[in-house]
Amino acid sequence: GAGVSQSPRYKVAKRGQDVALRCDPISGHVSLFWYQQALGQGPEFLTYFQNEAQLDKSGLPSDRFFAERPEGSVSTLKIQRTQQEDSAVYLCASSDRQSSYNSPLHFGNGTRLTVT
Amino acid sequence: AQTVTQSQPEMSVQEAETVTLSCTYDTSENNYYLFWYKQPPSRQMILVIRQEAYKQQNATENRFSVNFQKAAKSFSLKISDSQLGDTAMYFCAFMKTPGGATNKLIFGTGTLLAVQP
Repeated sequence: GAGVSQSPRYKVAKRGQDVALRCDPISGHVSLFWYQQALGQGPEFLTYFQNEAQLDKSGLPSDRFFAERPEGSVSTLKIQRTQQEDSAVYLCASSDRQSSYNSPLHFGNGTRLTVT
Repeated sequence: AQTVTQSQPEMSVQEAETVTLSCTYDTSENNYYLFWYKQPPSRQMILVIRQEAYKQQNATENRFSVNFQKAAKSFSLKISDSQLGDTAMYFCAFMKTPGGATNKLIFGTGTLLAVQP
């Protein structure tokens, strides 16, 4: 597709359930980021991939959060044993090389996760 | 650590008028990038304008321009001839220049801009 695609657009999970959020970056994009955006806040960095390598996972809030990008294209963010504080919009973004001024990030529409 | 502060949670402007959104940041870096992103209700973050810190000249993109004051660590966004379609959340963001493994964006908390007809 022409842009970054994320699915599902909305996800409701009961507390304790596991969820998987998918990101399809723009074809050929090397860099892929996940951000978490709580209600009324700016996005916060979760993790970064360069191709299939996860180079930075310093933003993942706990070991319940896990991300992968096994073939260097599609990425999945998995949250185990969801908690209410995990409720947020999860944004995926990609760029065609190492993200920089001349290679800005392209964002998807995000997945809104609500944990009840 | 870098921080980005947007002190205006909400702003309102009449259609066709000019509005300025404020942003300040804190960093010990000498070179970096600054961005303004727009987030409409669709949730997709759209790049509005960008500035390289070593460039003195303020960036402009059609109706959008910035006032970059490096010494004051200030990066405000001016929207001229405001249009109804400009209604959105606006986020200021900071990025270190390439060199590290991760060039992540650090965002402010956003300003909700409402353009009134």
